[in-house]
Amino acid sequence: RKEVEQDPGPFNVPEGATVAFNCTYSNSASQSFFWYRQDCRKEPKLLMSVYSSGNEDGRFTAQLNRASQYISLLIRDSKLSDSATYLCVVRNNQGGKLIFGQGTELSVKP
Amino acid sequence: DVKVTQSSRYLVKRTGEKVFLECVQDMDHENMFWYRQDPGLGLRLIYFSYDVKMKEKGDIPEGYSVSREKKERFSLILESASTNQTSMYLCASSYPGPLSNQPQHFGDGTRLSIL
Repeated sequence: RKEVEQDPGPFNVPEGATVAFNCTYSNSASQSFFWYRQDCRKEPKLLMSVYSSGNEDGRFTAQLNRASQYISLLIRDSKLSDSATYLCVVRNNQGGKLIFGQGTELSVKP
Repeated sequence: DVKVTQSSRYLVKRTGEKVFLECVQDMDHENMFWYRQDPGLGLRLIYFSYDVKMKEKGDIPEGYSVSREKKERFSLILESASTNQTSMYLCASSYPGPLSNQPQHFGDGTRLSIL
């Protein structure tokens, strides 16, 4: 079983749609959680950290459920520019190592 | 803004060559990392370093070595390149601390092809 698993995608949605990505992690001792965004042929960039109480940044909402070892990302009012691969990332307690999910591809169509 | 610079965007080398991939960061970060990214496999950690002259194996260190002679520079070395090392290589850096919530900042990546 992979340490971090994500919905395989691709997700094809129209502009304005709401889309949700899910991610599960296997190590209950995981300390920190992030969503990264990666555009085609570009490097991953931090989209947002995920906090225990849940957090929101504009159209993006991240939630964490430690009991179920589950992370989610909700994107409201999708824009064409949201098209990218979204990586679920978990940091274990071994000195800063990040474990990356395979990513979920999102394509927002006009 | 954090800047992580990788020496080459695209590189083509031959089987058996010794290959050096260079990475420099300008934020005085203690932690530096080398990953490779392959379709269907995601990002996998090759080596990382917490400080100068210090290195730790990641998940797939075989066939690679690293060098951290200066804090800002972390080099990945393919001792004898093989075709299965054709990949996208990504360098990253972050502030220190195992319990830190600091994210990693990535370079643009080097797309390496071994012929």
